[in-house]
Amino acid sequence: LAKTTQPISMDSYEGQEVNITCSHNNIATNDYITWYQQFPSQGPRFIIQGYKTKVTNEVASLFIPADRKSSTLSLPRVSLSDTAVYYCLVGDMSQQAGTALIFGKGTTLSVSS
Amino acid sequence: DVKVTQSSRYLVKRTGEKVFLECVQDMDHENMFWYRQDPGLGLRLIYFSYDVKMKEKGDIPEGYSVSREKKERFSLILESASTNQTSMYLCASRTGGRTYEQYFGPGTRLTVT
Repeated sequence: LAKTTQPISMDSYEGQEVNITCSHNNIATNDYITWYQQFPSQGPRFIIQGYKTKVTNEVASLFIPADRKSSTLSLPRVSLSDTAVYYCLVGDMSQQAGTALIFGKGTTLSVSS
Repeated sequence: DVKVTQSSRYLVKRTGEKVFLECVQDMDHENMFWYRQDPGLGLRLIYFSYDVKMKEKGDIPEGYSVSREKKERFSLILESASTNQTSMYLCASRTGGRTYEQYFGPGTRLTVT
């Protein structure tokens, strides 16, 4: 699985757009990029996944440049409830068995009023 | 509604005790996982299972074993609990298809004294 690098922490204010960038220089052809969110005292929750270009859902957008060596999770107009740890994961889940998602330390986002 | 449940939210055990952590999922998922989470270290994979009676070691299997006798249940066993196994333990499950969406339980905070 490709190694990922993301900032340890970020601070923001309510109403701002937050962009968290993840570096994955050794991404393989079949790898997908996935982001998870974890609130305090809860397990992580899947947010979004993508392969290339842009993906958007009701929670966030994911931007992936053509070389796929990095990706950016964009959270529009954050609120206090977006305070959480955000994990970037890269891997190939096409195999039926024997694969597991490996989580790193994530980025702790703190949103203030 | 998808659900992963863990047998205890909080558990206190003594050094040397045998500890069982139970995880049950109701989604008929093939894959199940055990992680531990410690401050500053993120989530680390202990063991996972991709089928009944099948298991694979994760990054930190030492001191742990697992059991999967039924598809919906995955147990983590600490043969002889030690203080360095004090941690938050998170169980997760995922379907066998090409998906990156993993569902986590609420976690068990284990304290070994």
